[in-house]
Amino acid sequence: DTEVTQTPKHLVMGMTNKKSLKCEQHMGHRAMYWYKQKAKKPPELMFVYSYEKLSINESVPSRFSPECPNSSLLNLHLHALQPEDSALYLCASSRSGQPSYEQYFGPGTRLTVT
Amino acid sequence: AQSVTQLDSHVSVSEGTPVLLRCNYSSSYSPSLFWYVQHPNKGLQLLLKYTSAATLVKGINGFEAEFKKSETSFHLTKPSAHMSDAAEYFCVVSDRGSSNTGKLIFGQGTTLQVKP
Repeated sequence: DTEVTQTPKHLVMGMTNKKSLKCEQHMGHRAMYWYKQKAKKPPELMFVYSYEKLSINESVPSRFSPECPNSSLLNLHLHALQPEDSALYLCASSRSGQPSYEQYFGPGTRLTVT
Repeated sequence: AQSVTQLDSHVSVSEGTPVLLRCNYSSSYSPSLFWYVQHPNKGLQLLLKYTSAATLVKGINGFEAEFKKSETSFHLTKPSAHMSDAAEYFCVVSDRGSSNTGKLIFGQGTTLQVKP
């Protein structure tokens, strides 16, 4: 099973709301990733967790807060977002953080900030 | 530093004709290279990967790519396009970085249009 699941599929939130995105994989992967993708652009890396520890934060604003409760789960907590944060948020996982391992992507959460 | 250049932002082919999507890369290390496909409003799906084994890599759905170190290229081909191949294609190199964590460096993408 090479599936990464993400919930919800769509999310509309106001600028004062607090919401969370969820990602799950059951492939035994030890690295998990959050990406942001704007229309007609490639994904941009936000965070990397390796063995449940945050290993990369690509200078993401603090209104985005990642969490890795265990090796199968990855959350992204959202608070006080701006309209420009509207995008497709993709989760991915890989066997480990080693560069040769491919990443498997989930279907994404389409976020709209009003 | 690693980088990826996809030479065509848009490619249009007729159904049943060959597909060629071009990609050049720059890497200080022996690179790991990937092609991903993204259909509208979907996540990314891995088509194939090169990690220093055979230079001709076969992937899913009839796609293949050839790693040419002398030309720093990793072009994606398919002998016969199907309508379902219409999508966005990303050439990707894995950046080893200082932490040896596999950050993916994406090309800007090539939109493949398949005409009936």
